[in-house]
Amino acid sequence: EAGVAQSPRYKIIEKRQSVAFWCNPISGHATLYWYQQILGQGPKLLIQFQNNGVVDDSQLPKDRFSAERLKGVDSTLKIQPAKLEDSAVYLCASKEADTQYFGPGTRLTVL
Amino acid sequence: GENVEQHPSTLSVQEGDSAVIKCTYSDSASNYFPWYKQELGKRPQLIIDIRSNVGEKKDQRIAVTLNKTAKHFSLHITETQPEDSAVYFCAARYSSASKIIFGSGTRLSIRP
Repeated sequence: EAGVAQSPRYKIIEKRQSVAFWCNPISGHATLYWYQQILGQGPKLLIQFQNNGVVDDSQLPKDRFSAERLKGVDSTLKIQPAKLEDSAVYLCASKEADTQYFGPGTRLTVL
Repeated sequence: GENVEQHPSTLSVQEGDSAVIKCTYSDSASNYFPWYKQELGKRPQLIIDIRSNVGEKKDQRIAVTLNKTAKHFSLHITETQPEDSAVYFCAARYSSASKIIFGSGTRLSIRP
């Protein structure tokens, strides 16, 4: 079974630039999550989708972050404009029953 | 609020000894508690989980215990091996929107 796919794996940008991340969940998984993991910390939930609807985005900095899952499958997370403190690994996960499966993550460095 | 506290932040044990990591949660309605292992530069991997209707669960050298009254749950690793060295995260599923909140992690080092 294919796992959660994410791209790109690494991204380096300057502050105030824009960046987008892509996630393809495991086939058939209706629930998709985006997490931000800052070095040395646990994953922090940014947004949770159920099919193409948003279930929770209470910790998403909506002035600069946006996410969509238009057809209920793939998802994109965008940051515009980026700040230095956005440097982190962005993890996508999908869920079957209770179990979350994480993708490899995108490591973002903002200079 | 929705919070999971995890202790200790770092743990070093002699190979062959046991390691224990403890977490507390704040929502008494939480009903699912997974534990993840994350090796350097890799994604978190589920290693064991427990539901609120069970007090203990074992899988070979790993066990998790849950005390619902105290809102505590713990990970126990016995006969530790070098490959157990990693960062371990506890998590709790909060009833609101079924979102999963992670602890801050424990960096476990196994001394040869």
